[in-house]
Amino acid sequence: DTGVSQNPRHKITKRGQNVTFRCDPISEHNRLYWYRQTLGQGPEFLTYFQNEAQLEKSRLLSDRFSAERPKGSFSTLEIQRTEQGDSAMYLCASSLAGQSGRAFFGQGTRLTVV
Amino acid sequence: DQQVKQNSPSLSVQEGRISILNCDYTNSMFDYFLWYKKYPAEGPTFLISISSIKDKNEDGRFTVFLNKSAKHLSLHIVPSQPGDSAVYFCAASPMNRDDKIIFGKGTRLHILP
Repeated sequence: DTGVSQNPRHKITKRGQNVTFRCDPISEHNRLYWYRQTLGQGPEFLTYFQNEAQLEKSRLLSDRFSAERPKGSFSTLEIQRTEQGDSAMYLCASSLAGQSGRAFFGQGTRLTVV
Repeated sequence: DQQVKQNSPSLSVQEGRISILNCDYTNSMFDYFLWYKKYPAEGPTFLISISSIKDKNEDGRFTVFLNKSAKHLSLHIVPSQPGDSAVYFCAASPMNRDDKIIFGKGTRLHILP
């Protein structure tokens, strides 16, 4: 197992376009998290899944954001009608339930909205 | 409203000396604390943790101290090595919510030769 994998690593998009990111967690991990990190800040929680169920969404996750984990394996994060303020590093992490503090992070997808 | 505060954006320490990274928190419901380390172009990696029932946890060169009355924790690295140069994030989790981790802004540690 190579750890948590995120694709793409970088994405440049024009304002107003839709983008989708993918995260492949560690295979035996049942929890999957999405975080956003902007310059000078720590990771900020967006949402998380236990298996295929989305259990919590942050108020940071506006209506333009949607996340899915259809079969409890990989996850996608879609941002519709991107805005310049969406520019950030989007981090995915996975863990076993009960060990969420020891989450394993992917390398992230850096989004730039121009 | 920062619940986990790392007030030093950066710290420089001579190789071989002790590095001390500090973290304060405001939420008294936090009962599990963690430190993550991040290299450029990589995601954060778990380093060490401590439960609120302890005041110290040690793992090799890394020791985390927790002072619950002061709502303060610190990470000690001794001796500091060049590979320790990274951004260190303090994080905390509320009681009975191991799914919720709140991160600080991070401290960039530079180990000087």
